[in-house]
Amino acid sequence: DIQMTQSPSSLSASVGDRVTITCRPSQNINNYLNWYQQKRGEAPKLLIYAASSLQSGVPSRFSGSSSGTDFTLSINSLQPEDFATYYCQQSYSSPSTFGQGTKLEI
Amino acid sequence: EVQLVESGGGLVQPGGSLRLSCAASGLTVTSIYMSWVRQAPGKGLEWVSVIFSGGSVDYVDSVKGRFTISRHNSMNTLYLQMNSLRTEDTAVYYCASSISSAAFYYAMDVWGQGTTVTVSS
Repeated sequence: DIQMTQSPSSLSASVGDRVTITCRPSQNINNYLNWYQQKRGEAPKLLIYAASSLQSGVPSRFSGSSSGTDFTLSINSLQPEDFATYYCQQSYSSPSTFGQGTKLEI
Repeated sequence: EVQLVESGGGLVQPGGSLRLSCAASGLTVTSIYMSWVRQAPGKGLEWVSVIFSGGSVDYVDSVKGRFTISRHNSMNTLYLQMNSLRTEDTAVYYCASSISSAAFYYAMDVWGQGTTVTVSS
């Protein structure tokens, strides 16, 4: 199985800050990398798919990129509603696997 | 409006069985792929199973031989039959799919609200 190492596990930030979350797969995943946001008590929400494609309806302050073996989710100008937990997911190889999550806190 | 509504969760003893249902509206369960994802209390997301439009299925190793994913085309409903349940199967179970171009990358942009399964004696 492909292991997804996500960092950091938690992150403190303030409204207006820019933050980045990184995910490193244990094998090549050919850009089959997706990012989700989950708020407490809610289902996950897709933010980014294919490493850098912004899902329809998601604010443009969210962006995804890749560099070498690492994938990054960036959030510019944090808004109060962005404080949540974020997960990466590889969908290249079965079983699909998620990172362990990053809790973004104020 | 696209909607997935799960049901069938509950409290069951170890070794018992449950069948989860996911009723779909605004999308067809045979159209692309449908997945089950679970989340144990206070833990992260774990992909459990998928059924593709052609009918092929797959499972995470920890549930192989115990869980069965299926669908009822005319009722437009996805199922997860869970047998030989263990305490570690305790989780919120979500069904999920995709109705956008994200589907090409097997991302999940449509999710249900989840149903809770508790395995305990």
